[in-house]
Amino acid sequence: RKEVEQDPGPFNVPEGATVAFNCTYSNSASQSFFWYRQDCRKEPKLLMSVYSSGNEDGRFTAQLNRASQYISLLIRDSKLSDSATYLCVVNGGSGGGADGLTFGKGTHLIIQP
Amino acid sequence: NAGVMQNPRHLVRRRGQEARLRCSPMKGHSHVYWYRQLPEEGLKFMVYLQKENIIDESGMPKERFSAEFPKEGPSILRIQQVVRGDSAAYFCASSLSGALNSPLHFGNGTRLTVT
Repeated sequence: RKEVEQDPGPFNVPEGATVAFNCTYSNSASQSFFWYRQDCRKEPKLLMSVYSSGNEDGRFTAQLNRASQYISLLIRDSKLSDSATYLCVVNGGSGGGADGLTFGKGTHLIIQP
Repeated sequence: NAGVMQNPRHLVRRRGQEARLRCSPMKGHSHVYWYRQLPEEGLKFMVYLQKENIIDESGMPKERFSAEFPKEGPSILRIQQVVRGDSAAYFCASSLSGALNSPLHFGNGTRLTVT
């Protein structure tokens, strides 16, 4: 099983719709979870951390399900500017140092007008 | 308030040449990470450094690749005798106190093409 697994998509979604995608992780000892966003040929940027109780930032909601070992990202009222690749990031893998952050390959989202 | 600065943005090398990629972390950040990204692939960790120390190089190929983060100056990722398979985007990231407690800030990458 891959350390961090995401559906690569692409998800084609009309503007204004709600879209959600999941990410599964293999290490049950993982403690830290993040969603990063990466635009085409650009650097990744932190979108939001994911907390145990779930958290919301504007139109974005992140959830953690430890029992099933997945995290999710929900985007409401999607905008054209939300088109990007969304990277799931989890610690406890082979990512490096004591932090061990491991990046998923990303889910490609396309918002259509 | 400059972010993470990487240069060059684009680097073309012929097989067998050396590539040097530079990264200046955000001001005040002492943790530096290098990642490699192939087209349509995820970010792969290469090496984690703090000032003058390599903390974890478990993601770095054993041969031809080396990294440093001197007391003064930028972090350098060095690839000797480049081969076509080294062509990729190389991203540097820095954080204030380690990636778990403070977010990673990425530079805009160096795109290496080996001809």
